[in-house]
Amino acid sequence: DIQMTQSPSSLSASVGDRVTITCQASQDISNYLNWYQQKPGKAPKLLIYDASNLETGVPSRFSGSGSGTDFTFTISSLQPEDIATYYCQQYDNLPRTFGPGTKVDFK
Amino acid sequence: QVQLQESGPGLVKPSQTLSLTCTVSGDSIISAGYYWTWIRQHPGKGLEWIGDIYYSGSTHYNPSLKSRVTISIDTSKNHFSLKLSSVTAAETAVYYCARDRRQHLVRHAFDIWGQGTMVTVSS
Repeated sequence: DIQMTQSPSSLSASVGDRVTITCQASQDISNYLNWYQQKPGKAPKLLIYDASNLETGVPSRFSGSGSGTDFTFTISSLQPEDIATYYCQQYDNLPRTFGPGTKVDFK
Repeated sequence: QVQLQESGPGLVKPSQTLSLTCTVSGDSIISAGYYWTWIRQHPGKGLEWIGDIYYSGSTHYNPSLKSRVTISIDTSKNHFSLKLSSVTAAETAVYYCARDRRQHLVRHAFDIWGQGTMVTVSS
């Protein structure tokens, strides 16, 4: 299985801050990576697909980049509604695997 | 719009079979380009892919569960189902069904999710 790691595991930030999360794959996955947002008690929501493409309807303050084994997810200006846990997920190989998540809350 | 809804028992006894159904509304389950997927999340933990099925009946399973998992599809009822046998307390989790959107043959993303259903394994 391809192992996905994320850092940090949690972070605290203020409204308007730039937030960056990194995701690393245990082997080269090209850009076969997605990012999801999960709010407490809710299902995950697709934000970014193919490492850098914004899903329809997702605010442009969210972005992603990277390829190979190293990926970055950025919120350019944190908003109150962005408090959630964020997961990366690879689809280069089966089984599909997710990172452990990064919990974002307010400082 | 397309919606997915999980249904099934919220309590299963150890060693028994967990059975869940995901009903798809707003689109046909035989639409090309979509895999229908089960994902679970243990309490307070991350996400685990269980497996998927195409409308043709072709399936993929997580090797860690493969010997105990069966995913099936009923195109007449526009739903797909999960069976997980010989469950233990470690299978207690929220179970999600999701649509895996396939583009350009190799691109995948879980673009629509059900709300999730909590299943507790306990005697």
